[in-house]
Amino acid sequence: DGGITQSPKYLFRKEGQNVTLSCEQNLNHDAMYWYRQDPGQGLRLIYYSQIVNDFQKGDIAEGYSVSREKKESFPLTVTSAQKNPTAFYLCASSARSDQPQHFGDGTRLSIL
Amino acid sequence: SQQGEEDPQALSIQEGENATMNCSYKTSINNLQWYRQNSGRGLVHLILIRSNEREKHSGRLRVTLDTSKKSSSLLITASRAADTASYFCATDRRSGGGADGLTFGKGTHLIIQP
Repeated sequence: DGGITQSPKYLFRKEGQNVTLSCEQNLNHDAMYWYRQDPGQGLRLIYYSQIVNDFQKGDIAEGYSVSREKKESFPLTVTSAQKNPTAFYLCASSARSDQPQHFGDGTRLSIL
Repeated sequence: SQQGEEDPQALSIQEGENATMNCSYKTSINNLQWYRQNSGRGLVHLILIRSNEREKHSGRLRVTLDTSKKSSSLLITASRAADTASYFCATDRRSGGGADGLTFGKGTHLIIQP
């Protein structure tokens, strides 16, 4: 089955700690995206990548970093500089930027 | 910034009734998409309508687009309990002067009462 896998499903971060969220897709999509969702809110774009070894900041990139070394993988690191990291993080991919996006089932990040 | 705004924020109807949700947006678009999100899950794409289309159907779903009013509506006919979810409209960022990715509204939470 083709799709997007996000792991872990739940993640806890200690103060001052960096954590990395995994996103893997086997849809052979070029474009990948990271969104943040807060309770009762829509999604906000953190970073996106249209091609391997290239990525761009979205609306709320501060305190986050990404890499795109392989087409299938687009990990997101939540750094200690992100002061309010508690949220639901969603990864998505699409064949092209104007095509529908396929989403993973998300990672819920909380602060210890 | 949020491009799309859904209305109403919440909607509760009886099973079998029709549900209508509306979306307004601010800038010109190339296309508008509707997604569904079940609680605690990722989003599922429902339908994409391009700016030169006025209406599109998919099963029990009907989407309309009025670019002159910068608005869209999603109609779900003969609702079922399984339709209970949050529904989001999304517009492509590039046509609004932004880069790639989608801009989402805050969503309409739909509850279908059995």
